[in-house]
Amino acid sequence: EVKLEESGGGLVQPGMSVKLSCTTSGFTFSDYWMEWVRQAPGKGLEWVAEIRNKANNYATYYGKSVKGRFTISRDDSKSIVYLQMNSIRSEDTGIYYCTRRGAAMDYWGQGVMVTVSS
Amino acid sequence: DIVLTQSPATLSVTPGESVSLSCRASQGISTSIHWYQQKSNESPRLLIKYASQSISGIPSRFSGSGSGTDFTLSINRVESEDFSVYYCQQSYSLPLTFGSGTKLEIK
Repeated sequence: EVKLEESGGGLVQPGMSVKLSCTTSGFTFSDYWMEWVRQAPGKGLEWVAEIRNKANNYATYYGKSVKGRFTISRDDSKSIVYLQMNSIRSEDTGIYYCTRRGAAMDYWGQGVMVTVSS
Repeated sequence: DIVLTQSPATLSVTPGESVSLSCRASQGISTSIHWYQQKSNESPRLLIKYASQSISGIPSRFSGSGSGTDFTLSINRVESEDFSVYYCQQSYSLPLTFGSGTKLEIK
């Protein structure tokens, strides 16, 4: 059974940093591209970042609103994908989902809440 | 960036009716569109990939069509469990983008 489980969220002060983790199981993690998608309270879905697999040189890509502040990374030996969030802003508040990108985003975690507030 | 425009924003229907949800892309994207369902307080779930390809475990009443710029998600005979928000998403080019969603509600 494919599972994705996010962790690391919580209350964060503006300007500070937080690192999210997504622990996966049930599939060959190293084969897949992985994504982070977020959802502000009461709003729609926004793509945040992508990391490709070794065959694609672990290339990374980011949405405009987070580029230069967030870093996506992965540890294929542990089947974990990370999202390092720096210089965090109030508009980064929301649920962060980790997803597996097969042909589409075919599996999603339950999400982790990040609240940015002083 | 490719903008996806979903319409209508809200659709009020009676269970048993059949419905069509629209997603229009700002430029041609072949069939690189995917549809997701998000129920309240749940994670999104993939319903249809590449415009019309079915997903294992998804009821057959859900189907997709379209290519280029105009796409449709159809639900044949809506059931009570289908009342939720539906999003389209394109994978034609980065940045990946989502439509703003269509909320399917009970009339």
